[in-house]
Amino acid sequence: DGGITQSPKYLFRKEGQNVTLSCEQNLNHDAMYWYRQDPGQGLRLIYYSQIVNDFQKGDIAEGYSVSREKKESFPLTVTSAQKNPTAFYLCASSAWQGYTFGSGTRLTVV
Amino acid sequence: GESVGLHLPTLSVQEGDNSIINCAYSNSASDYFIWYKQESGKGPQFIIDIRSNMDKRQGQRVTVLLNKTVKHLSLQIAATQPGDSAVYFCAEETSGSRLTFGEGTQLTVNP
Repeated sequence: DGGITQSPKYLFRKEGQNVTLSCEQNLNHDAMYWYRQDPGQGLRLIYYSQIVNDFQKGDIAEGYSVSREKKESFPLTVTSAQKNPTAFYLCASSAWQGYTFGSGTRLTVV
Repeated sequence: GESVGLHLPTLSVQEGDNSIINCAYSNSASDYFIWYKQESGKGPQFIIDIRSNMDKRQGQRVTVLLNKTVKHLSLQIAATQPGDSAVYFCAEETSGSRLTFGEGTQLTVNP
């Protein structure tokens, strides 16, 4: 079945450490996105990529980095510069058929 | 009965009643709108969408209404069931094919 896989589902990080969240899709979608969701709030766009080897900052890109070396993969790195990284992170992809979301990674800084 | 009004963070209805969830969007240039359902700890699930050249679209038990004059979107759920309890988000597609989400409404269905 086609879809988006985010891993891991739960992730714990010590303060000052970088951590990378994985997002893989087998839908052959060109565009991919990373969103952050805080409790009781909506989704905010971190970064997005409309094509391989190209990406743009979203509304809250500070403290995050991404790469898009392959069409299928759009990993997100949460760097030590992100002051409040504890959140639920959602990856999505899109094509003309619409958007598909992954099941999310819950990151907790300990 | 129905619950209508401006955007609310929570909406509580009785099983079998109709629900109406409202959303105000910001960009008059947006031409594509989507309603998502999100259950706790999961990703958003597509419910229904509508393009700006329409003002109403119906699905199975759900209807989306679009009022471009006042930039307002609503989701109507008929005969609400306990399984409909979740957070509902509207999203608008803005330039560059990126989605902007509303804050969400928590729907609780009481048996």
